[in-house]
Amino acid sequence: AQKITQTQPGMFVQEKEAVTLDCTYDTSDQSYGLFWYKQPSSGEMIFLIYQGSYDEQNATEGRYSLNFQKARKSANLVISASQLGDSAMYFCAMREPYSGGGADGLTFGKGTHLIIQP
Amino acid sequence: EAGVAQSPRYKIIEKRQSVAFWCNPISGHATLYWYQQILGQGPKLLIQFQNNGVVDDSQLPKDRFSAERLKGVDSTLKIQPAKLEDSAVYLCASSEEGGRTTYEQYFGPGTRLTVT
Repeated sequence: AQKITQTQPGMFVQEKEAVTLDCTYDTSDQSYGLFWYKQPSSGEMIFLIYQGSYDEQNATEGRYSLNFQKARKSANLVISASQLGDSAMYFCAMREPYSGGGADGLTFGKGTHLIIQP
Repeated sequence: EAGVAQSPRYKIIEKRQSVAFWCNPISGHATLYWYQQILGQGPKLLIQFQNNGVVDDSQLPKDRFSAERLKGVDSTLKIQPAKLEDSAVYLCASSEEGGRTTYEQYFGPGTRLTVT
């Protein structure tokens, strides 16, 4: 089973509208971290927002917020007031806990290609 | 603060040739990661270093891929011999401390490899 599932391969959204990108995850651990990264056509991975599994409040960073529903294992990214520059690939990722060996590489979903239309 | 540096940015080789990529992490970052991103997919972790020791290389195809991080700073990833399916972007990332869920990973610009 995939650990990170992003069910929207592509989305078209009108400029200034809000957009929600879906992400569900699978883990049996109680402690984990969830991340969203943006990858423009230039290729760099840009960190957007982080949510810890024990965080009681949903994370927010400027126009980005994370709708964290732990029981449903979902961590959707919400972008408010979308802009043309938001057009990019968006990846949801999970870091599972320290296991004694220190391995904590990110597991990524397949991504959602978001296109903002004027 | 300088970001993660990678070189070269682009490389084209023929199958069965060898290739090496270089990464210099952010100063002071103990943990270094190499990811492979095949077109249309998310990055996949190949190897993680903590200082100059390997923490996780479970997804590294060890028959053809090798990596080292001498002196715990910069790192080299090598492919020998390359196959067509190795065509991908190779991303290097670093973080302040491995083994904690909160620390952000900072990514370099990547090296785009094309194997013909």
